[in-house]
Amino acid sequence: AQTVTQSQPEMSVQEAETVTLSCTYDTSESNYYLFWYKQPPSRQMILVIRQEAYKQQNATENRFSVNFQKAAKSFSLKISDSQLGDTAMYFCAFSFMRFGAGTRLTVKP
Amino acid sequence: GAGVSQSPRYKVAKRGQDVALRCDPISGHVSLFWYQQALGQGPEFLTYFQNEAQLDKSGLPSDRFFAERPEGSVSTLKIQRTQQEDSAVYLCASSLGDRGVYGYTFGSGTRLTVV
Repeated sequence: AQTVTQSQPEMSVQEAETVTLSCTYDTSESNYYLFWYKQPPSRQMILVIRQEAYKQQNATENRFSVNFQKAAKSFSLKISDSQLGDTAMYFCAFSFMRFGAGTRLTVKP
Repeated sequence: GAGVSQSPRYKVAKRGQDVALRCDPISGHVSLFWYQQALGQGPEFLTYFQNEAQLDKSGLPSDRFFAERPEGSVSTLKIQRTQQEDSAVYLCASSLGDRGVYGYTFGSGTRLTVV
């Protein structure tokens, strides 16, 4: 069975600071993809970043980067220079779209 | 179309009523997923189509839930004899390929409230 665990239900960060959201997963597959999605109150799911398991290099998209530890089955999201617009629910997800329970991130001015 | 379109955006159903939720994926997208998202929770996988073939329906919570994609494009999620626990947002996502090679695009969801 594939499971995704996000152990931080809520987090907050000051504007312009850096925050890291944690995610662990479990799978027996060797080739897969991992995602972080953002869901603002509008409930539109927005892809933040994607990581391919066979690539050792951590994915980066502007202010967003991941720390992918395949052996530890860990996939954390780092948001640098946090902005008010980053306030949202963040979901970690596995290839066939198994989602974690989410982390509610609040960026404070 | 430019994005994944879901309709209706809101649906209120009386307990016991049947409902049909529609998903219009991006043109040419092979994969289509349905999810159920309860308030304050992450999306729960319901079912997956590759073209018109329903390859995985392991997440459908009961035989009251039925999904179809007869021509490999538009999909309908049908819930028969709705119950209060069916109240949730139902999300649809589509992808050009499978296994996330090209990423997934979500619709805005249908919020179903069963009264």
